[in-house]
Amino acid sequence: QKEVEQNSGPLSVPEGAIASLNCTYSDRGSQSFFWYRQYSGKSPELIMFIYSNGDKEDGRFTAQLNKASQYVSLLIRDSQPSDSATYLCAVSHFNKFYFGSGTKLNVKP
Amino acid sequence: KAGVTQTPRYLIKTRGQQVTLSCSPISGHRSVSWYQQTPGQGLQFLFEYFSETQRNKGNFPGRFSGRQFSNSRSEMNVSTLELGDSALYLCASSFGADREETQYFGPGTRLLVL
Repeated sequence: QKEVEQNSGPLSVPEGAIASLNCTYSDRGSQSFFWYRQYSGKSPELIMFIYSNGDKEDGRFTAQLNKASQYVSLLIRDSQPSDSATYLCAVSHFNKFYFGSGTKLNVKP
Repeated sequence: KAGVTQTPRYLIKTRGQQVTLSCSPISGHRSVSWYQQTPGQGLQFLFEYFSETQRNKGNFPGRFSGRQFSNSRSEMNVSTLELGDSALYLCASSFGADREETQYFGPGTRLLVL
């Protein structure tokens, strides 16, 4: 069983819609949770991190964490074509990071 | 503040050779982690160094090794290269605290083994 699971997609949404990306993890001791965006041929870029249960909002992005159910999600409001990328979910436990395989998001104009 | 830098950005080697990659973390960051990214396997953790000591290790063969210097710069070495080692090698730095850590990635080194 992989430490972090993501649907590989692609997830296609029209411009202006809400994109919902999900991630589950297996280690209940995981402490920190991250979402990275990776454009093709580029390195991952941090979008958000969340440590506590609940929602955390940053501009058009909202991260949601539910430790009891062991899932993390990322909502992107008012999706733009420039949001088209692969989104990587990562969890950490005492500085050991585990990444999901990523969900490819396509935002259609 | 300057970001994470990696050198070289691109590298072509042949099977059996060895290669050394370099990573300079963000100023003040003491932890450097290395990852291998391939289309089939995704982002896989190689190892993490903190204060010149390997603190965490992934499931890679001993051909993959690393070290960290007193200025937190890190090098990764791969010996006896195989075709399957062709990948994007990423390093990421963080402060290295035990909790609520955030990693920032460098641009990566793209290695092609022929």
